[in-house]
Amino acid sequence: AQKITQTQPGMFVQEKEAVTLDCTYDTSDQSYGLFWYKQPSSGEMIFLIYQGSYDEQNATEGRYSLNFQKARKSANLVISASQLGDSAMYFCAMREVPFSGGYNKLIFGAGTRLAVHP
Amino acid sequence: DAGVIQSPRHEVTEMGQEVTLRCKPISGHDYLFWYRQTMMRGLELLIYFNNNVPIDDSGMPEDRFSAKMPNASFSTLKIQPSEPRDSAVYFCASRGAVSRTDTQYFGPGTRLTVL
Repeated sequence: AQKITQTQPGMFVQEKEAVTLDCTYDTSDQSYGLFWYKQPSSGEMIFLIYQGSYDEQNATEGRYSLNFQKARKSANLVISASQLGDSAMYFCAMREVPFSGGYNKLIFGAGTRLAVHP
Repeated sequence: DAGVIQSPRHEVTEMGQEVTLRCKPISGHDYLFWYRQTMMRGLELLIYFNNNVPIDDSGMPEDRFSAKMPNASFSTLKIQPSEPRDSAVYFCASRGAVSRTDTQYFGPGTRLTVL
């Protein structure tokens, strides 16, 4: 079964520094997608960044980048120049391919709570 | 463009009452998902629709839960009768058919408290 593991329940970083949030995944599929979502204290789920398994370059979106290491099955999120507003819960997710076919469901990790200190 | 809209944002009800959660997906999106988030179980997919048709409801916890999508711009998740263990945040998400990334966009969620 496909699985997402986020081993850091909580992280903290000093404002303006970079931070890496870990995500490892397990899949036997060759084609898959990896996602990161941010959930601030207000509760909404905000899409941050996507990496496809066949993408040759690591994805970047502004201050967010995804350190994709396919052989290690890891998809770590890097946030550069942290801001106070980055304090939130961060979820890694993977697009699953059901055996029966059809749409690829997302499965989520347990999340990492990031605190940015001034 | 408007994102996914959910109502109500907060709902407090008593055990045994019927609860209806509502969702309006992003215009043009033809996939709609209902999730539940709790501290114990994290984010769980309850059911999803494609072109208004339920495709997979294997995550629906029991017969007390039902979901409908009468048209492309509206879906409901109903719990009848509600129980305290149904207390959670319920998210609706949608995805467009033409999407390289299969990205799902989430609504703000409905925080349900069953007393």
